[in-house]
Amino acid sequence: GAGVSQSPSNKVTEKGKDVELRCDPISGHTALYWYRQSLGQGLEFLIYFQGNSAPDKSGLPSDRFSAERTGGSVSTLTIQRTQQEDSAVYLCASTGLAGVTGELFFGEGSRLTVL
Amino acid sequence: AQRVTQPEKLLSVFKGAPVELKCNYSYSGSPELFWYVQYSRQRLQLLLRHISRESIKGFTADLNKGETSFHLKKPFAQEEDSAMYYCALSGRGGSNYKLTFGKGTLLTVNP
Repeated sequence: GAGVSQSPSNKVTEKGKDVELRCDPISGHTALYWYRQSLGQGLEFLIYFQGNSAPDKSGLPSDRFSAERTGGSVSTLTIQRTQQEDSAVYLCASTGLAGVTGELFFGEGSRLTVL
Repeated sequence: AQRVTQPEKLLSVFKGAPVELKCNYSYSGSPELFWYVQYSRQRLQLLLRHISRESIKGFTADLNKGETSFHLKKPFAQEEDSAMYYCALSGRGGSNYKLTFGKGTLLTVNP
């Protein structure tokens, strides 16, 4: 596709339910990132993939959060037993370069609201 | 550890006035610094990076290692500059993959 694609764009769920957020990076981009964007907190790093492996998952806030990437392409961020504090916009980004001296290309985000 | 501080959450100026968005960083080595921008209802995108020493849309930013700052400046603000601006830092070598962002500054340019 032309850019990083994320789905769903909006998700409203009830506290305690599980959610899955999907990211389809730019074709050929080997590096993929998940960030969380919330008011007053800016962008928080969650996890970094190089290919299918995640050498840095230090930003995942709790064991309720997990992510995987398959085929060196699509990634899924899963949040189990959602809590109200999980409400935020979840951004995915990709780049074709091993380091960020290149440019990160962001998706439009998935807005999660936990009631 | 990498840290980026943007001291102003909100900044409001009038069209034609100079604007400076502040960014300070903490990093033990020699960092790479970036400014990203998010216009209303658009995705986050790169505005400029310090290694390119470029001017984009009239904006410039100089890396001051002594003050550990990377302030974004424009001599004459335009209404279309209204957006959320994020300063970001990456390390070098083994940690160069990770981009750490500040909390952002919402710039409003009034007519």
